[in-house]
Amino acid sequence: DTEVTQTPKHLVMGMTNKKSLKCEQHMGHRAMYWYKQKAKKPPELMFVYSYEKLSINESVPSRFSPECPNSSLLNLHLHALQPEDSALYLCASSQGATRGTDTQYFGPGTRLTVL
Amino acid sequence: AQSVTQLDSQVPVFEEAPVELRCNYSSSVSVYLFWYVQYPNQGLQLLLKYLSGSTLVESINGFEAEFNKSQTSFHLRKPSVHISDTAEYFCAVSVSEGGGSNYKLTFGKGTLLTVNP
Repeated sequence: DTEVTQTPKHLVMGMTNKKSLKCEQHMGHRAMYWYKQKAKKPPELMFVYSYEKLSINESVPSRFSPECPNSSLLNLHLHALQPEDSALYLCASSQGATRGTDTQYFGPGTRLTVL
Repeated sequence: AQSVTQLDSQVPVFEEAPVELRCNYSSSVSVYLFWYVQYPNQGLQLLLKYLSGSTLVESINGFEAEFNKSQTSFHLRKPSVHISDTAEYFCAVSVSEGGGSNYKLTFGKGTLLTVNP
C-alpha cells in the first residue's frame, strides 16, 4: 500500500474560522511533510516531521499549526487565515528525512478556499 | 544553494510524437534528482529518480531521463506520447537543510505537457 490519504478533499472557510486538515499513511514511513501549492506553481514546503518531531519549519506564519500525533497521522490546524492562503495543501511521506534518496509519496491534496 | 531550472513552462505536442522536457540543476557534491508528474486535480507521483550508478533511468510508462554531469542536466524524454500523458511535470533535487542531516525537495517551476490529438 503506497497510499497517502487526505481529508477533506475540499474546504471553504471564513477568516475567523478554525479548521484542521488531516493526513494519514500506513507505509511505516517516519517522515511526513506539508506543502502548499498555488495554481500553476510548484509545491512549496511548509513543514517536515521526522520521527514525530518537527524538524523543518519554513518560516510559516503561526496561523498554520502542524501536529503529528503519531507516526501515521499528520494534522495541519488552521486559524485566522487570509484569502491569499487559498491553495492546494499537499501531504507527503517518506521512509525518512535524513537521506536524500528517499521517495516522497504524495496525497491527493485538500483544496482550501478562504473567504 | 541547490536549485533546478525547467527551461520550458509549456510544451504542446501531437499524439505519438517524441517529447523532451528539459531540466538543469546547480552542481553539488551529491546530487539526487527526481521527476514527478501531477495530473489535473491530483497530487504528485514519482516518475523516476537518479541516485547513482547508471546515468539512464527509466519509468514503467515509457519515460526515461539521462543524468548528464558535464551539462548538469536531467532531461526527461518519451519517444511517443499519448493523450493521457497530458500533465504537469516537475523536476526536483533533494538537498540537505543547511548542510545538516535533514533533506528536502526543491522543485523546478514545472512544465505543462499538453498532448493534442
